[in-house]
Amino acid sequence: DAKTTQPNSMESNEEEPVHLPCNHSTISGTDYIHWYRQLPSQGPEYVIHGLTSNVNNRMASLAIAEDRKSSTLILHRATLRDAAVYYCILRDGLNYGQNFVFGPGTRLSVLP
Amino acid sequence: DVKVTQSSRYLVKRTGEKVFLECVQDMDHENMFWYRQDPGLGLRLIYFSYDVKMKEKGDIPEGYSVSREKKERFSLILESASTNQTSMYLCASSLVGTGISGANVLTFGAGSRLTVL
Repeated sequence: DAKTTQPNSMESNEEEPVHLPCNHSTISGTDYIHWYRQLPSQGPEYVIHGLTSNVNNRMASLAIAEDRKSSTLILHRATLRDAAVYYCILRDGLNYGQNFVFGPGTRLSVLP
Repeated sequence: DVKVTQSSRYLVKRTGEKVFLECVQDMDHENMFWYRQDPGLGLRLIYFSYDVKMKEKGDIPEGYSVSREKKERFSLILESASTNQTSMYLCASSLVGTGISGANVLTFGAGSRLTVL
């Protein structure tokens, strides 16, 4: 499985944008990039995913580098509720039974 | 609007007891997963299933077994609980899809925190 690398922790001020980076230099052409986050005392929840093009949804934006070897999750205005561990994961589009492999993620702290 | 339900939020068991953790999803997903989460180790896959009665070992299957008799239900069984199985257990599900399964997202339950004394 291709691996991802994320910073262990990041800090942001409330109402400011946050850019969470992820490196995946061994990504294959059929790997989708997924982001999940885990709020305290909860199971992880889906945030966004993409293949090649940048993606936007109500929660966040995903910017994918042209060579696809890195991506950035963008929270446009951080709130205290966005404090969580964020996971960047690769998932093969052609492998039906493939596991989702979670790394340690990035712990985001949001300061009031 | 709950989609993946884990039967128990908190359990306390004794060493040697048989423990059942139940998970039910109402999204007609083919794939179901059991993870455990420990501080500093992240989420580690125990078992997954891509169809009824089918199961695949994950990264840490030792000491666990699973059962999937119906599509919506995936059970994790600890045959003889030990203290090193004290952990947060997370169930999840996803669609398999047809050729674009990488686009199918994972939906998690709230987790079951098991303490083995």
